Amino acid sequence: ELKVEQNPLFLSMQEGKNYTIYCNYSTTSDRLYWYRQDPGKSLESLFVLLSNGAVKQEGRLMASLDTKARLSTLHITAAVHDLSATYFCAVFGNQFYFGTGTSLTVIP
Amino acid sequence: NAGVTQTPKFQVLKTGQSMTLQCAQDMNHEYMSWYRQDPGMGLRLIHYSVGAGITDQGEVPNGYNVSRSTTEDFPLRLLSAAPSQTSVYFCASSSLAGGPYNEQFFGPGTRLTVL
Repeated sequence: ELKVEQNPLFLSMQEGKNYTIYCNYSTTSDRLYWYRQDPGKSLESLFVLLSNGAVKQEGRLMASLDTKARLSTLHITAAVHDLSATYFCAVFGNQFYFGTGTSLTVIP
Repeated sequence: NAGVTQTPKFQVLKTGQSMTLQCAQDMNHEYMSWYRQDPGMGLRLIHYSVGAGITDQGEVPNGYNVSRSTTEDFPLRLLSAAPSQTSVYFCASSSLAGGPYNEQFFGPGTRLTVL
């Protein structure tokens, strides 16, 4: 069974600061997905990373994938309050496996 | 496009009752799946389907049945509800065009409580 671990599980950061969320997975996969979930809402797709070295950016968020290290990162630049949410990574092995999520709170 | 729709949004059941959670998508996606979300455990895959007439088990299939008679619909049946099935259930779909397992689109969720 493929394991997906995210850290940190909880993150409180001040507006304007930078931080990185890490996603490690246990077996080989070249497909990594990042999602955002607001409280009480559904999941929204942020990024799909399909190959080693893939990097995607949208606004203040940038995601990267290192398949050799089995690691993806979600970097937050100059955080703003609107980024407060829970972020999930997911990996496709023979099926989709999700991490437990990182709850991000951006403090004004 | 309505995307992925789920009904009902909320449901309360008594232990032993059965019910069906409905999921439909209008994007002609081949892949559909059901997840449950519990606090501190992320999303766990219950069942999935890669096309009409084809279903398979995910990580936590016990106590749930699915069928896929059309591309659009993928209902999830709880056979005999138990308190351990109290959770938020999400349906998702994905296109297999251009390569397998593109991003998934999620429905709004069904919040189920089993007393």
